Amino acid sequence: SQQGEEDPQALSIQEGENATMNCSYKTSINNLQWYRQNSGRGLVHLILIRSNEREKHSGRLRVTLDTSKKSSSLLITASRAADTASYFCATVPTGTASKLTFGTGTRLQVTL
Amino acid sequence: EADIYQTPRYLVIGTGKKITLECSQTMGHDKMYWYQQDPGMELHLIHYSYGVNSTEKGDLSSESTVSRIRTEHFPLTLESARPSHTSQYLCASSEYQGGGLNTEAFFGQGTRLTVV
Repeated sequence: SQQGEEDPQALSIQEGENATMNCSYKTSINNLQWYRQNSGRGLVHLILIRSNEREKHSGRLRVTLDTSKKSSSLLITASRAADTASYFCATVPTGTASKLTFGTGTRLQVTL
Repeated sequence: EADIYQTPRYLVIGTGKKITLECSQTMGHDKMYWYQQDPGMELHLIHYSYGVNSTEKGDLSSESTVSRIRTEHFPLTLESARPSHTSQYLCASSEYQGGGLNTEAFFGQGTRLTVV
């Protein structure tokens, strides 16, 4: 079964609003990563947060990590139409070293 | 721009044919992965590799096989394609930092396979 699950499955907002996506995972991890996928294309890495970090920023992105709840959130502030994409969290469970496993994804639609 | 390439981008092939999906990276990454993804759906890890001569099966059972004879090359083979193999296949690579840490993964553009 998948390591991570994300909610909501789909999110539709207007340009300028903030978008929040959540990710829950099942096992202990070394780090958690967020990726973006435009329709039908490969994934692009957005941000990585280590297990000993609680919050990280990159431009309009803010990621939080709560290892006690095994959850993470991705906040996109002041969204733009170009942010329309699917967003995935990914983890490497502790002890697996290489097994990068993705969540179920959130499809974000930003309308004008 | 990621230096990881997948060929072909699109492939339509008849049932029973043998196919090989190519994946090459020029970044010298030890770790490589193959994922299967249906449109609009989650990614399923089907194979991964720690380095040359190491391959492991992922979470999703797959009839495909992989090999890792060279660091830069991680081809995926289906001996006898079936319509149930119709999907998008994504290849990725990453650098291993040791101590269980992992860096970001770089993805190819994918191969969209249709078996008729």
